[in-house]
Amino acid sequence: QKEVEQNSGPLSVPEGAIASLNCTYSDRGSQSFFWYRQYSGKSPELIMSIYSNGDKEDGRFTAQLNKASQYVSLLIRDSQPSDSATYLCAVNKGETSGSRLTFGEGTQLTVNP
Amino acid sequence: NAGVTQTPKFQVLKTGQSMTLQCAQDMNHNSMYWYRQDPGMGLRLIYYSASEGTTDKGEVPNGYNVSRLNKREFSLRLESAAPSQTSVYFCASSEEGQPYNEQFFGPGTRLTVL
Repeated sequence: QKEVEQNSGPLSVPEGAIASLNCTYSDRGSQSFFWYRQYSGKSPELIMSIYSNGDKEDGRFTAQLNKASQYVSLLIRDSQPSDSATYLCAVNKGETSGSRLTFGEGTQLTVNP
Repeated sequence: NAGVTQTPKFQVLKTGQSMTLQCAQDMNHNSMYWYRQDPGMGLRLIYYSASEGTTDKGEVPNGYNVSRLNKREFSLRLESAAPSQTSVYFCASSEEGQPYNEQFFGPGTRLTVL
């Protein structure tokens, strides 16, 4: 079992729709969770971080965390073609990890005009 | 602020050659990291430095060495490059070595080993 798994892509949504990206993790002691966006040929860019159960909203982005189910998701409302990128889920496994992150393989999102 | 910078942007090596990838950050961060990214494999941690003067192995350290030159700079060295080291290398930094600290990435170095 992979430590961090993301829903297999690619994911394609029409412009204006809600894109839903999912991530599960295996270490129940994980403490913090991050979503990065990576455009083709570019470096990962942090877009959301979440530490507590529930929802966290920032503009068109909402991160959702359910520690009991070991599940974190990213919702993108009113998707735009500029949101087309690969989205990486990253997990910090707890105090002994410092700020080291374990990354999923990413989900490629395409938003069609 | 430039954030995290990396040099070079691109490099082609022959098998057995050596090279050093340079990374610097101007955010006064304590922790720095080296990752490699391969298709279908995601980002994998090679080495990290929780603070100046310390370095530790990550998930895939074989074939690499690192030096934390000072608080700003963290270099990655390939002593004898192999085709399996063809990858995109990213450096990252974070404020402290705590679980809640966010990592910020440099632009990457694309390395090809022939």
